[in-house]
Amino acid sequence: GAGVSQTPSNKVTEKGKYVELRCDPISGHTALYWYRQSLGQGPEFLIYFQGTGAADDSGLPNDRFFAVRPEGSVSTLKIQRTERGDSAVYLCASSPGTSGQETQYFGPGTRLLVL
Amino acid sequence: GNSVTQMEGPVTLSEEAFLTINCTYTATGYPSLFWYVQYPGEGLQLLLKATKADDKGSNKGFEATYRKETTSFHLEKGSVQVSDSAVYFCALRGAAGNKLTFGGGTRVLVKP
Repeated sequence: GAGVSQTPSNKVTEKGKYVELRCDPISGHTALYWYRQSLGQGPEFLIYFQGTGAADDSGLPNDRFFAVRPEGSVSTLKIQRTERGDSAVYLCASSPGTSGQETQYFGPGTRLLVL
Repeated sequence: GNSVTQMEGPVTLSEEAFLTINCTYTATGYPSLFWYVQYPGEGLQLLLKATKADDKGSNKGFEATYRKETTSFHLEKGSVQVSDSAVYFCALRGAAGNKLTFGGGTRVLVKP
């Protein structure tokens, strides 16, 4: 079956602009995660959704970052007033069930470059 | 907080050589431990996992044993192939949590 998909695969923007990154989880997966991977580093947790609600947003670096999942499926990560330091690969993952203990399946990521 | 430390790469090996990638962690309680792999041009894939002390995870010839006494989860493979060239990430998930904490990744290059 289809895996986690993310769009766009690449995004180039200018400093100060607003961007939206989209994640389509595996069908039926109730949990959805966003991570950020800077060059040469491991992924860092941003936010976790269980259904429509953000169960843990402790990894969001500041109030310029926001994510939604209005219908409990597709999620959008929104970044306002982008900065060059936001350049990274943004990864989405999903998992089945509600315990948060299931295996996370990752998408291919969106590579964001802020000029 | 939780943290994962893994050996820095790149690690360059010849085909059929033995591979070890060291991983140690800091966490409260009893975390679950994972190895993820990222092949060139592909997304992160779960390679293996262990959920309690002394468990051994294995897949595709790779093995790792959850050692609570040394807080380690070293990855090993007895005979690597060129197709094993990838970046390997050690990760943990806290006992009461859901998010993954990753190490910095180790790039492995296997030459024929």
